[in-house]
Amino acid sequence: ELKVEQNPLFLSMQEGKNYTIYCNYSTTSDRLYWYRQDPGKSLESLFVLLSNGAVKQEGRLMASLDTKARLSTLHITAAVHDLSATYFCAVTAQETSGSRLTFGEGTQLTVNP
Amino acid sequence: ETGVTQSPTHLIKTRGQQVTLRCSSQSGHNTVSWYQQALGQGPQFIFQYYREEENGRGNFPPRFSGLQFPNYSSELNVNALELDDSALYLCASSLFGRLTDTQYFGPGTRLTVL
Repeated sequence: ELKVEQNPLFLSMQEGKNYTIYCNYSTTSDRLYWYRQDPGKSLESLFVLLSNGAVKQEGRLMASLDTKARLSTLHITAAVHDLSATYFCAVTAQETSGSRLTFGEGTQLTVNP
Repeated sequence: ETGVTQSPTHLIKTRGQQVTLRCSSQSGHNTVSWYQQALGQGPQFIFQYYREEENGRGNFPPRFSGLQFPNYSSELNVNALELDDSALYLCASSLFGRLTDTQYFGPGTRLTVL
């Protein structure tokens, strides 16, 4: 059974600081996704990472993937209040049909002024 | 381009009742997946529909069933509702076979079972 673990689960940080969210998964996966969810809202797609060493950046967020370590990171640079949200990583398992996403528990990020 | 839409937005039911949730996929997409998100948790995969047939199912009992229509819209039906069925139900659409196959989520239906 594919398992996805994120840490930390809760993160409170000051504006202007840097931090990293970690996502570990248990079996071989061919795709890894990062989503953002604001309170009471749906999921917004941020990144999709397909291969070992993949790195993608959008604004103050940068995601990377190490398939050998089964690890993805989401790095936040110079955080601003607007980044406050819950961030989920999700993976698809190669052995399953279709594109079933298995999600982590989420990291609730609060950026304080 | 039209995004993923879901109806209703909110729903309150009592134990034992039945409910139908609806989803319209994003324009150009042919696959619909349904997820259940309990409060404070990550979404859990219920099932996926492609070409009007179930294409994968998570650990949910048979009282969770679905349909996909020729226009790629979909329904999620839940019979004999239980208190634990209270959750946000998310529908996601994607284009099957595309390399990235990113799933785009709708706004969700908040179901409360009393």
